[in-house]
Amino acid sequence: NAGVTQTPKFRVLKTGQSMTLLCAQDMNHEYMYWYRQDPGMGLRLIHYSVGEGTTAKGEVPDGYNVSRLKKQNFLLGLESAAPSQTSVYFCASSPPGLKNTEAFFGQGTRLTVV
Amino acid sequence: DQQVKQNSPSLSVQEGRISILNCDYTNSMFDYFLWYKKYPAEGPTFLISISSIKDKNEDGRFTVFLNKSAKHLSLHIVPSQPGDSAVYFCAASTGNNNDMRFGAGTRLTVKP
Repeated sequence: NAGVTQTPKFRVLKTGQSMTLLCAQDMNHEYMYWYRQDPGMGLRLIHYSVGEGTTAKGEVPDGYNVSRLKKQNFLLGLESAAPSQTSVYFCASSPPGLKNTEAFFGQGTRLTVV
Repeated sequence: DQQVKQNSPSLSVQEGRISILNCDYTNSMFDYFLWYKKYPAEGPTFLISISSIKDKNEDGRFTVFLNKSAKHLSLHIVPSQPGDSAVYFCAASTGNNNDMRFGAGTRLTVKP
């Protein structure tokens, strides 16, 4: 029962490099999210998806792109990494519904941009 | 513009005593509130929630209280146990899946 799995767990990038974070869920959830967590800021929503083939911007989308080609996977891309993107990234998924239901989170990816 | 605020970065309590974690929000459109618990090197896990039509929700040792007029909610843990030591995030939403806002978290330490 894996739940939500993020790859990689840690990464160090140089400014200007690109990378993709992978999120996979095995709960057949419709909704998936990418958050970043920074000290004193809580979790902030970057992008989200309400179903396969759909994505939308969240609270802090600039500098990131996402894709949801398969229902179980949600990819977060950084085209040109900046030091301001140093953060811990969390992927989450939840079942559909008009009201927020609990979201299931992955273990996080710690990204450092130098 | 933080719409959800947890003004206490940390809280330390003795095992067996009550832990009270507080959360304030500014958006009067929020009508669903959740608490998540996070251990180091793990993702947050759902703990308890409350809808705005209620003022209290209880689940075992955990109770969440909602005061809509004050735009304030609190999480009570009774009795506190060392395994409760974690960071607790308060979250609020209008009911849409894309507008949940999180507080900065409160680190709870329960001392044996």
